Amino acid sequence: QLVLNQSPSASASLGASVKLTCTLTSGHSDYAIAWHQQKPEKGPRYLMKLYSDGSHNKGDGIPDRFSGSSSGAERYLTISSLQSEDEADYYCQTWGTDTYWVFGGGTKLTVL
Amino acid sequence: EVQLVESGGGFIQPGGSLRLSCAASGFTFSSCVMSWVRQAPGKGLEWVSGISGNGDSTYYVDSVKGRFTISRDNSKNTLYLQMNSLRVEDTAVYYCAKVAPWSGNAPGAEFDPWGLGTLVTVSS
Repeated sequence: QLVLNQSPSASASLGASVKLTCTLTSGHSDYAIAWHQQKPEKGPRYLMKLYSDGSHNKGDGIPDRFSGSSSGAERYLTISSLQSEDEADYYCQTWGTDTYWVFGGGTKLTVL
Repeated sequence: EVQLVESGGGFIQPGGSLRLSCAASGFTFSSCVMSWVRQAPGKGLEWVSGISGNGDSTYYVDSVKGRFTISRDNSKNTLYLQMNSLRVEDTAVYYCAKVAPWSGNAPGAEFDPWGLGTLVTVSS
């Protein structure tokens, strides 16, 4: 079954970097995913599509501070030079032929 | 600019019905797979339903099959979600999203962009 696993929370200091992880279940390690950002009381915003080889396509207006990478079944979102406005929930999402569309549980990022 | 504007949410008793609408603009609506995603209070995102560009193919999460019906009117650039037999656990903000095409076998890829959402509250 296609499932995405994310840690519930993460934190990092202002100006530092943070790497969020999304793990695909066994048998799906070649799947592409998407990362979405959701700020408090706002709708989600698409950040990027991330392929198994680490290549990624960012959405319109997404700053260079946001980047993606991959290793095996893990997909990463790295945010560098953290700003207070980056405090948000981050969701990974993927798609398939049986479950169609799936979200991870989300990671709440706190900027210290 | 692509815009998606949801409407139709509100307060409804368990067992009741509600129809959500999503008005789309800024892109060729009839060419795009569209989807509904919901978020219960304090919870994560949950995909609910999707529909192909011509409306011939529809997709549902198991928990809403037989109760919700997705449809679209391409002449009006509008997506709908008819929700029947509503349950307390259907309480959520419902988002409309445009689905990016995918060259593989899946009906679509990432959601981009998203609407602002409309709140549905099911309670007695």
